[in-house]
Amino acid sequence: NAGVTQTPKFRVLKTGQSMTLLCAQDMNHEYMYWYRQDPGMGLRLIHYSVGEGTTAKGEVPDGYNVSRLKKQNFLLGLESAAPSQTSVYFCASSYYLGQTGELFFGEGSRLTVL
Amino acid sequence: KQEVTQIPAALSVPEGENLVLNCSFTDSAIYNLQWFRQDPGKGLTSLLLIQSSQREQTSGRLNASLDKSSGRSTLYIAASQPGDSATYLCAVRDDKIIFGKGTRLHILP
Repeated sequence: NAGVTQTPKFRVLKTGQSMTLLCAQDMNHEYMYWYRQDPGMGLRLIHYSVGEGTTAKGEVPDGYNVSRLKKQNFLLGLESAAPSQTSVYFCASSYYLGQTGELFFGEGSRLTVL
Repeated sequence: KQEVTQIPAALSVPEGENLVLNCSFTDSAIYNLQWFRQDPGKGLTSLLLIQSSQREQTSGRLNASLDKSSGRSTLYIAASQPGDSATYLCAVRDDKIIFGKGTRLHILP
């Protein structure tokens, strides 16, 4: 079972460049999330989606955009990358089930912005 | 605002010992609490999920308890092994999912 798959796993960008991270899940989950993980800061929610065609802002949304055109995919975009966006990005998904669904994570995407 | 705290930030334990990891949260109105482990450079692996109506969950050598009234959860690891070395995170779910910063566990051979 693939579970939650993130691509790419590693990327180096120059300041001002753009890129898109792709998250795909094969568990038919309604909810999908994008987190960033930084030393000393823990995991912080960037954006999330409660279903196909919906997106919402999390704790640290500035500088990022997302789209959920298909239920199984959740895309995270950086329009103009900044060094402060150097981080490890994790995608996660869960069932809704009245808010009680178990959360599953991808392996992460390590982004460096020079 | 929900806050999740894990103390200590790091812990070293000799192999074979039983140990307890702690997770505390400030708002008891949660839907569930989930424990994860994270190996260096890897994603988070789900260990146990405790619903708000449950008191504990068990999987193999792991046992997680939940006391909503006191805002506490513990993860008990029995007969620790070097392979248990990892960072353990807890996350509580109310309207959002809030993570603690984790406890780095090192099992000494």
